[in-house]
Amino acid sequence: EAGVVQSPRYKIIEKKQPVAFWCNPISGHNTLYWYLQNLGQGPELLIRYENEEAVDDSQLPKDRFSAERLKGVDSTLKIQPAELGDSAVYLCASSLWGQNSPLHFGNGTRLTVT
Amino acid sequence: GIQVEQSPPDLILQEGANSTLRCNFSDSVNNLQWFHQNPWGQLINLFYIPSGTKQNGRLSATTVATERYSLLYISSSQTTDSGVYFCAVDANTGNQFYFGTGTSLTVIP
Repeated sequence: EAGVVQSPRYKIIEKKQPVAFWCNPISGHNTLYWYLQNLGQGPELLIRYENEEAVDDSQLPKDRFSAERLKGVDSTLKIQPAELGDSAVYLCASSLWGQNSPLHFGNGTRLTVT
Repeated sequence: GIQVEQSPPDLILQEGANSTLRCNFSDSVNNLQWFHQNPWGQLINLFYIPSGTKQNGRLSATTVATERYSLLYISSSQTTDSGVYFCAVDANTGNQFYFGTGTSLTVIP
């Protein structure tokens, strides 16, 4: 089966510009996650979806970050405007049913804000 | 949130050696997973192991939930085992997986 697909793989933007990341989870996976990974650290959850419902977005900086998962399949994460501190790897993951099944990650998008 | 500590932080092995990585967590957990992040950044799920022992080839894992730790064993290490190993735990609140800071493994030929 195809894995979690993310695009773009790399993105370089200037500060104050908008940026968007796209994720297509494994077919049939109901739960989708967006994680942020800074250099030398473990991933940190930004938002979790069960189907099309955001069930945990407590760590999403809502003043500049937004996400959507239309039709409960693929998802987009947007930053507007980007700041220097947003430079990181943005990882998408999916699981069959929430926390009670293995997480599968995409390759991530490496964002550099200059 | 729950605290997840991994040890050792860094490990260098000669090819063919065995190793044990440890993950300690500060509270009761529903689930625990081990991941390998390769040098290209891809995170691969190794084990989904809330309790007990599982084996997959040269790798095995044991979680003792009552004592709040998990171990990942790597036997006959290969250079392709290099990378960072993370454990991630889901506390009983069931809200999210918390990742540890990882163990960076380098296997030299």
